[in-house]
Amino acid sequence: DTAVSQTPKYLVTQMGNDKSIKCEQNLGHDTMYWYKQDSKKFLKIMFSYNNKELIINETVPNRFSPKSPDKAHLNLHINSLELGDSAVYFCASSLRDRAGYTFGSGTRLTVV
Amino acid sequence: KQEVTQIPAALSVPEGENLVLNCSFTDSAIYNLQWFRQDPGKGLTSLLLIQSSQREQTSGRLNASLDKSSGRSTLYIAASQPGDSATYLCAGQGGSEKLVFGKGTKLTVNP
Repeated sequence: DTAVSQTPKYLVTQMGNDKSIKCEQNLGHDTMYWYKQDSKKFLKIMFSYNNKELIINETVPNRFSPKSPDKAHLNLHINSLELGDSAVYFCASSLRDRAGYTFGSGTRLTVV
Repeated sequence: KQEVTQIPAALSVPEGENLVLNCSFTDSAIYNLQWFRQDPGKGLTSLLLIQSSQREQTSGRLNASLDKSSGRSTLYIAASQPGDSATYLCAGQGGSEKLVFGKGTKLTVNP
């Protein structure tokens, strides 16, 4: 199936831990994104990579570090997790010529 | 800075009714306008994409229009069904390439 796939789907961890979320797309897109959906269900962009190059970096704590080993993968590493990091994180991809976004199914992160 | 507003925040209708969801954006220099559906606890499903040169798109019972001059988009759902119950999200993409979302309209279609 052609898709954007994220792992894990659920992540429960303690404050202070470091965790990673992985994302892969097989759509041939050249741009990938991380979005955060908060408790009020509002979606906001965090990062965007085009062909492994960071092109969007919103005001996000530097505990969050994206890594793109190739244009089909964009991972998100979070250091020293805090309670406020609890949210659903969505990965998405698109072609840079702006043909619409495809989203993954999300990773629900709960920090306890 | 692009801001996207969706009205109403919630809508409850009886089955079979035709309905319109509204979306407005502040920056008319919008390139794409995309409508998504999100079911509770699930991801985003793309419904319709209206690209810069287009004014509307149709898929089945759904029709979306885009009027850049007025900063508005509407999603029309014909003959609504209980299975249409979900949150509908409007998102605009401008020159910065990032997709800016509204807060959504939660639709409930009652049998």
